[in-house]
Amino acid sequence: QLQLQESGPGLVKPSETLSLTCTVSGGSFSSSTYYWAWIRQPPGKGLEWIGSLYYSGRGSTYYNASLKSRVTISVDTSKSQLSLGLTSVTAADTAVYYCGRLIKASDAVDYWGQGTLVTVSS
Amino acid sequence: QSALTQPRSVSGSPGQSVTMSCSGTSSDVGGYNHVSWYQQNPGKAPKLMIYDVTKRPSGVPDRFSGSKSGNTASLTISGLQAEDEADYFCCSYVSSFTVVFGGGTKLTVL
Repeated sequence: QLQLQESGPGLVKPSETLSLTCTVSGGSFSSSTYYWAWIRQPPGKGLEWIGSLYYSGRGSTYYNASLKSRVTISVDTSKSQLSLGLTSVTAADTAVYYCGRLIKASDAVDYWGQGTLVTVSS
Repeated sequence: QSALTQPRSVSGSPGQSVTMSCSGTSSDVGGYNHVSWYQQNPGKAPKLMIYDVTKRPSGVPDRFSGSKSGNTASLTISGLQAEDEADYFCCSYVSSFTVVFGGGTKLTVL
């Protein structure tokens, strides 16, 4: 059974960089059937796609245009980890951050991590 | 890309049917059949309920159904049950490895 587990600091200061890791167990990044994404949800609000990574020998990344200048998504296949970096954070970046696996043929998220709350505050 | 538009709330009584909408454009919902729906209970991660507009993953009750007309997708829950009370989000393909979500609809079972 596939499991995704997000981890990282729960509190980040304004203007600093948010760094999160998603550890995947029970599955492989290298399957061409799936791709991986970070998705966030500000408190009481809707879901926002942050970006995706498709690993087909090398990781191709795709980012939300509104966040593109501040986001980096990468993968360490030796550790089965997907990483998210978001620079120059503000209070507007406070959210629950999820990692997810998407079915390439359907663009649907079939597996989600449990989510991790990141608060941006001094 | 702009978020898909969903009504903030819908409600229904047990046993009734409710339908919630998800409006987009010809560049997302209207242009592709990769629309999915997710159920989210408080404090939990979303759960996939519908994919490819009409398909249900294994284990999702057949009370849940999806459809699409033009730029608007819909999720219908028939035989409403108390346990269906949750937030529901739609999602659509936009371009390669790029998706957009809706703002979510809160379903209240009266």
